[in-house]
Formats: sequence, C-alpha cells, structure tokens
Amino acid sequence: DVKVTQSSRYLVKRTGEKVFLECVQDMDHENMFWYRQDPGLGLRLIYFSYDVKMKEKGDIPEGYSVSREKKERFSLILESASTNQTSMYLCASSPSGTSYYEQYFGPGTRLTVT
Amino acid sequence: KQEVTQIPAALSVPEGENLVLNCSFTDSAIYNLQWFRQDPGKGLTSLLLIQSSQREQTSGRLNASLDKSSGRSTLYIAASQPGDSATYLCAVDTGNQFYFGTGTSLTVIP
Repeated sequence: DVKVTQSSRYLVKRTGEKVFLECVQDMDHENMFWYRQDPGLGLRLIYFSYDVKMKEKGDIPEGYSVSREKKERFSLILESASTNQTSMYLCASSPSGTSYYEQYFGPGTRLTVT
Repeated sequence: KQEVTQIPAALSVPEGENLVLNCSFTDSAIYNLQWFRQDPGKGLTSLLLIQSSQREQTSGRLNASLDKSSGRSTLYIAASQPGDSATYLCAVDTGNQFYFGTGTSLTVIP
C-alpha cells in the first residue's frame, strides 16, 4: 500500500513565524503536491513537483515556498505565517506521467495561525 | 480553466437507500476522473479512478460512470450504510494538475 505521511496532524503557530510542513511518501512516486482545503472553497493547489529539485506553482502559491531535495520528501514552507493561512494542508503523491494514475493523500495537517 | 461542480452539496438518506452523487466539469479534455471519500478532519481516500477512455468503474457497492463529452460523472452507492457517511469529492486530471469539486456531504441515517 502507498503510504503518504505528514509530519504533524495539528499545528499552532504565531503570526510571523516560519513554518515547515513535511510530507514523505514511500512508493517512489515522481509527482508530489501540496493543497490547502478551506470550507466552501474545496482543495486548492499550492505547489507541485515532478521531480527532485523541480517545482511548479499551483493556483495559490503566494506566501508559500517548497523544497524537494529528495524524491520521497516534499516540504511546504510558510515564510512568515499569517492568520489567513489557517487551514487544512494536504499532501499527495502520484506516479510519473500525465496520468491514468491515482493520487494518494496523506492524513492532513490542521494549521492554526494565531 | 477547468471548473468542477458537485451537486448537491449535502444529502441525507435513510439506511438501505440507493443514491447518486453528481460531478460536472467544464472542459472535457481530461486524462481521468477520480472519486474520493473524506472523513471529518482526515485526508482523502481514493475510491475509484476512471480513465478518459472508460465509461465506468465498479468497486463493491460503488459504481462510477463518466461521460466526457457532456462533462459529467456520477457515483452510485447501492444499499447505503451509516458507515458511508462522509464527504465525497471528485477530481479531474487535465495532465497539468488535478481540479477538485467542493464535495457532497453524505449522511446515512440508521
């Protein structure tokens, strides 16, 4: 079974802090994704990566950056956390190619910025 | 830009009833469509994946259909059970990224 893990289930940070959200997958998938999920807005893509050291902006990259130094690990960074970044953050991975393949999701990180 | 809509936003049915969840998308140029289940506060669990060349997929009591030309997919749940209560999301893969609907929240009443 594919397993996608996220470093924290719940996280509380203060405004202005630098925040790291970690995602690890164990199936050697090339593609990894970061989404945020908000009520009424659904899932929105922040960043994705097709390979190590590669990254592409999604629909809402502002205020975020990412790092992919190893194939299995994709980190989301909030350079200076703000209250409007309070949300559920979901990481996903999928095999390479332009699909016919499923996305597999981690359990999510509920981030609260106070 | 691809837009994905799910109707209804919420649905409540008595146990044992058969039900249909709807998903529509604006651009028919998709590679596949995936249905997910999400329990409160949890991540997404994949239920079914329909490739663009397929018309339906089945898994147990679940059957998903895809009509690419009309931009529609349905998820049919047979003989619903209280354990089916969750939010169901559909997502389309355009080759560049996945686009998600906002989900249908299903409650199955015992």
